[in-house]
Amino acid sequence: DAGITQSPRHKVTETGTPVTLRCHQTENHRYMYWYRQDPGHGLRLIHYSYGVKDTDKGEVSDGYSVSRSKTEDFLLTLESATSSQTSVYFCAISEGSSYEQYFGPGTRLTVT
Amino acid sequence: AQKVTQAQTEISVVEKEDVTLDCVYETRDTTYYLFWYKQPPSGELVFLIRRNSFDEQNEISGRYSWNFQKSTSSFNFTITASQVVDSAVYFCARGSSGGYNKLIFGAGTRLAVHP
Repeated sequence: DAGITQSPRHKVTETGTPVTLRCHQTENHRYMYWYRQDPGHGLRLIHYSYGVKDTDKGEVSDGYSVSRSKTEDFLLTLESATSSQTSVYFCAISEGSSYEQYFGPGTRLTVT
Repeated sequence: AQKVTQAQTEISVVEKEDVTLDCVYETRDTTYYLFWYKQPPSGELVFLIRRNSFDEQNEISGRYSWNFQKSTSSFNFTITASQVVDSAVYFCARGSSGGYNKLIFGAGTRLAVHP
């Protein structure tokens, strides 16, 4: 199994509060991704990173920011959480741009 | 947007039946990659297969087989002699060569295999 952990695994927060989700890998892979999973939508890409300090937006990036200061860590921040951001968040890593992605266990976030 | 369509939302079969999950994709890329992932009730996402657009050979892995047809933009997944452990949500996804392999996922097909 690819060494990917996500923290926290579950979080309940109130509307308007900031939230940071962490993805940590031990594989030294260059590419990291954040997706959200919602019923009827499959997984949708929020942001991705192709190296330290190199990040870009995905399909559903509004309301989210990311940072990658080290190869092993990719942080996803909700600056001011809204109920529409209640979802399951998955981090993924990939060895290269044409390779399969391996996913972390997911974080279930509930915004009340 | 270039979509991935999994038209079957839910499929229910009895154990030992064969079942095919459909996946149709859209792309303007010459080179692209197709994937299948499994999400069992425990929630993790398990990688099953990756297929390059320039390799149209079908693939078989045990009870699993995949049929890639570029002419119809389809990448279908067949489980032979299904088992209860195959019950899961299955996702088809497409990535592209020049776009950091950002994946576009289908909405998923929930497969229920009954004893």
